[in-house]
Amino acid sequence: AQSVTQPDIHITVSEGASLELRCNYSYGATPYLFWYVQSPGQGLQLLLKYFSGDTLVQGIKGFEAEFKRSQSSFNLRKPSVHWSDAAEYFCAVGAPEAAGNKLTFGGGTRVLVKP
Amino acid sequence: AAGVIQSPRHLIKEKRETATLKCYPIPRHDTVYWYQQGPGQDPQFLISFYEKMQSDKGSIPDRFSAQQFSDYHSELNMSSLELGDSALYFCASSFGLAGVSEQFFGPGTRLTVL
Repeated sequence: AQSVTQPDIHITVSEGASLELRCNYSYGATPYLFWYVQSPGQGLQLLLKYFSGDTLVQGIKGFEAEFKRSQSSFNLRKPSVHWSDAAEYFCAVGAPEAAGNKLTFGGGTRVLVKP
Repeated sequence: AAGVIQSPRHLIKEKRETATLKCYPIPRHDTVYWYQQGPGQDPQFLISFYEKMQSDKGSIPDRFSAQQFSDYHSELNMSSLELGDSALYFCASSFGLAGVSEQFFGPGTRLTVL
């Protein structure tokens, strides 16, 4: 069974500073990996995804993530944070071999942006 | 572009009542997933359907049932509601079987049980 760990529950960052959110997964093979963002009371918006190929993935809103198989990690980065990036971020893993495969989410990281 | 539609967006029920949540997937999507997100929690997978057949099952209580209809929309039926069922319920849809299966999420239904 797959699992996801997001070690940081909260992160506070100054506007304009860089941001990195950590995600570690457990899965027997190469999983599908996703990052979602959720604003308070809102739905889940997909930031980026990794299925195969280039391990550095570009997403929306200036985010990128790097898949590192050796470290079972899929960390999310943004070079310069905007106040509108304050939200909760979820890393998720899916199982490629299963039809109707569920996503397993990490516990989330809440990002606060200081002016 | 069309997105996943969920109705209602908000629902208030009393304990022991029943509730029905509806999900309309993106056109041509044949797979539907239901997730439950409790307050301050991450989304937890409940159940999924592919081509109107249950394809996977997670931590869905026996009081809940779901199905996918011929037009691919899905309904989550919840009976004997408990206070702990108060949560945001997401539906997601995707196209196809195993392989690339990006899930697109709806805005969610917020269920409050009083």
